[in-house]
Amino acid sequence: AQSVTQLGSHVSVSEGALVLLRCNYSSSVPPYLFWYVQYPNQGLQLLLKYTTGATLVKGINGFEAEFKKSETSFHLTKPSAHMSDAAEYFCAVSAPGGTSYGKLTFGQGTILTVHP
Amino acid sequence: SAVISQKPSRDICQRGTSLTIQCQVDSQVTMMFWYRQQPGQSLTLIATANQGSEATYESGFVIDKFPISRPNLTFSTLTVSNMSPEDSSIYLCSVERGGASYGYTFGSGTRLTVV
Repeated sequence: AQSVTQLGSHVSVSEGALVLLRCNYSSSVPPYLFWYVQYPNQGLQLLLKYTTGATLVKGINGFEAEFKKSETSFHLTKPSAHMSDAAEYFCAVSAPGGTSYGKLTFGQGTILTVHP
Repeated sequence: SAVISQKPSRDICQRGTSLTIQCQVDSQVTMMFWYRQQPGQSLTLIATANQGSEATYESGFVIDKFPISRPNLTFSTLTVSNMSPEDSSIYLCSVERGGASYGYTFGSGTRLTVV
């Protein structure tokens, strides 16, 4: 079974400040990990993903995340927040194979607010 | 990545009625998924729909309530049957193409309100 925990349902930062959104996962097999962003009244957009290889992955809009197996974490960061980053962010995990293949398990989401 | 057209984008329905949501993909995909996002909550997988076979439902979801069709490799429908206010949610379809390592693409969702 897989599970995802996002620490902090709401994160507030000032424009230009570091963004750090935390995600920890539980999986019985090496997982695939994803971050999605959801803007108001829109669907989900893939920010970045980790499958294999380099543990630091870069995504769109200046975001990056680092897979740390020892900490079972996949935290999302951005060096400098923009007002346009205000949205809800979801961390998700899927199994690379087996009966759970293709099924995403999502965290509860973190709403990011950016103040001027 | 695949482009998904989901219809309707939103609807307001009377309790006891049914609504069919359509998901059209611009290319052939093997696996299609239906998710529900209840107000203020995260996404929960309803079922997996593969062409040529019965949909596979997750725990807590049943075919009588959420019948799914998958007539070909580019199209699927989800019906929300005998609706109650508790069914008010956003319903999203998702596809995987080229393997899970490419990620999953989501439609823009159907915002359903049951009154």
